[in-house]
Parts: sequence; structure tokens; C-alpha cells
Amino acid sequence: KAGVTQTPRYLIKTRGQQVTLSCSPISGHRSVSWYQQTPGQGLQFLFEYFSETQRNKGNFPGRFSGRQFSNSRSEMNVSTLELGDSALYLCASSGGGASSYNEQFFGPGTRLTVL
Amino acid sequence: AQKVTQAQTEISVVEKEDVTLDCVYETRDTTYYLFWYKQPPSGELVFLIRRNSFDEQNEISGRYSWNFQKSTSSFNFTITASQVVDSAVYFCALRYAGANNLFFGTGTRLTVIP
Repeated sequence: KAGVTQTPRYLIKTRGQQVTLSCSPISGHRSVSWYQQTPGQGLQFLFEYFSETQRNKGNFPGRFSGRQFSNSRSEMNVSTLELGDSALYLCASSGGGASSYNEQFFGPGTRLTVL
Repeated sequence: AQKVTQAQTEISVVEKEDVTLDCVYETRDTTYYLFWYKQPPSGELVFLIRRNSFDEQNEISGRYSWNFQKSTSSFNFTITASQVVDSAVYFCALRYAGANNLFFGTGTRLTVIP
């Protein structure tokens, strides 16, 4: 089975721009979660999508948004980029069902640099 | 609120030494799940183990072993006979029942010196 894929792997943007990151989960997985990793704040949960609906949300401003498509692929968008948005953005997929045993499997991440 | 503490920021050991990574957690939930992930320089988080709050049985997998103690809210990870390939950042994480999001500790950077 192919793992979680994220595109692009690296991205450089300037302040004020917007960016869209993409994540394709493991085949058959319906849940996609996004995390931000920075040296200062560590790994923080952004949001989770399950069956095209946002199921859970972390404590991030509204500039961060996402969506999920019918094939479970997910996109994350950040508008009006700030320097502090420079980070590694990780996507994780899991079965997402009612089972308690939902390990999350992570993609390689997209490293975003905001200049 | 959920909280995961990894007090060891960086550890260096010489190859073949044993090393234990500490993890202490806080939660008011009675049902929760604990995880360890490994993050090599490539950046991808690699799942290592999950432990349920109702199962305190320790686990050994090859050179890896985990010690879960609810009485001290700890979930420590030991690597026996460390190897250079074990060099990475290791994260402990907590998830409570009913949600899928993980609360991560700050990570421990392990360097194994040949």
C-alpha cells in the first residue's frame, strides 16, 4: 500500500500571499489530519477532516482552512501568510472509523518558508 | 487539559549503549491512548507503538521496549543496544477517546555516536 503523500515538499512564499498544500491519504483511509511543526511551538494539531466534513479543529486563526474531497484527498490553505507561518506541515491519515485503534500515519510533510 | 512532557531535550549515547526516553502525561480522561513516534531527518513521523490506558502490560519489540505506568503517568521508551540508525527525534503523544487528534510532547533528540 502506498503511504501518505504530500505535495509540494518545499514551498517558498512571501508575506501576504496565500498557499495551498495537498495531502493524499493511504488508500481506504477516510480521516485526514493536519499538523504544524515549528521549533518554537512544536507539533500542533490544525484540523481533521472525515468524509468531507471538518470533524475537529485546533486553536489556529481563521487564515488556516482546509477541505476534503470525495476521494479523501485533502487540501490545506493558508491565506495572508505571515513570517510565523514558516513551518513543516504534516498530514496524517487514519481509518477514522468508530474503532479506538486509529493509528495515524504521517506523510513526509511540506516545508513552507515565508519570506 | 491534555499535556505531554518530555523533559529530555537531547540525549547522546555511544553505539550499543541502552537509552531510555522519558514521557510523562496529564489527562483527566479515564480512557486514552499513548503513542511513540520517530522523526528521522527526512521529517516524516514514523509510528512506533500505541498503548491503551486500560492495558498496562509492557511491550517489547526487538530492541525497543515500552514501560507504561498509570500510577506515575509515565510511558517510557527504551532502546537496547542503540545503533546509529536510531538517531532521530522521538515524540510521545496522547489521544483521548472520542477524537483523533494527537497531543505531542516537545520531543527528545537522540544522537547515537558510532
